Amino acid sequence: QVHLQESGPGLVRPAQTVSLTCSVSGDSISRDTHYWSWIRQPAGKGLEWIGRIYDSGSTNYNPSLKSRVTMSMDTSKNQFSLNLSSVTAADTAVYYCARLGSSGWYINRAFDIWGPGTEVIVSS
Amino acid sequence: QSALTQPASVSGSPGRSITISCTGTSNDVGAYNFVSWYQQDPGKAPKLVIYEVSHRPSGVSNRFSGSKSGNTASLTISGLQAEDEADYYCTSYTSTSTWVFGGGTKLAVL
Repeated sequence: QVHLQESGPGLVRPAQTVSLTCSVSGDSISRDTHYWSWIRQPAGKGLEWIGRIYDSGSTNYNPSLKSRVTMSMDTSKNQFSLNLSSVTAADTAVYYCARLGSSGWYINRAFDIWGPGTEVIVSS
Repeated sequence: QSALTQPASVSGSPGRSITISCTGTSNDVGAYNFVSWYQQDPGKAPKLVIYEVSHRPSGVSNRFSGSKSGNTASLTISGLQAEDEADYYCTSYTSTSTWVFGGGTKLAVL
């Protein structure tokens, strides 16, 4: 059974960089059947796609966040990460990591497995 | 990229059917059959209920169905049950290799 688990600092000061990690068990992030993605949700609001990482580190990012987002992967730890720089109160949200099917998977381009989410609060 | 357009809320009586629409553009919903739908209970992570417009993952009730016409996708839930009360989100792959979500629809089972 595949499980994803987010981890992060919880509280971040404005203008700093928040770093989040997603640990994957039951699947290998090196397989070409999936991409790996970050999605966030401010309290009481909708979902926002942040970006995806795949292959050996290829990425696509939401254009509205692209200048502040960096994603990376550590295949030795089976983890992938999100760095979001210059954070403001508008970045306060629950951040989810999710598995995204590729054309090599029977669920193509949909988020089929999600982590439980980790809350990030931006406050001084 | 602009969010896909969903109604803020829909409601229905137990046993009846409801449909939630999701309107995009020719660069996302209209361009690909990569529309998916998610059910989200309060305080929980979203759960995939429909992928590739109309396919159900294993374990999802056949009361859930999806379709698409032009730039608008739809999720239909038939035989409404109290447990269906949740927030529902659509998402689509786009022509710039990104994903865009709808604003979400709150379903009330009256």
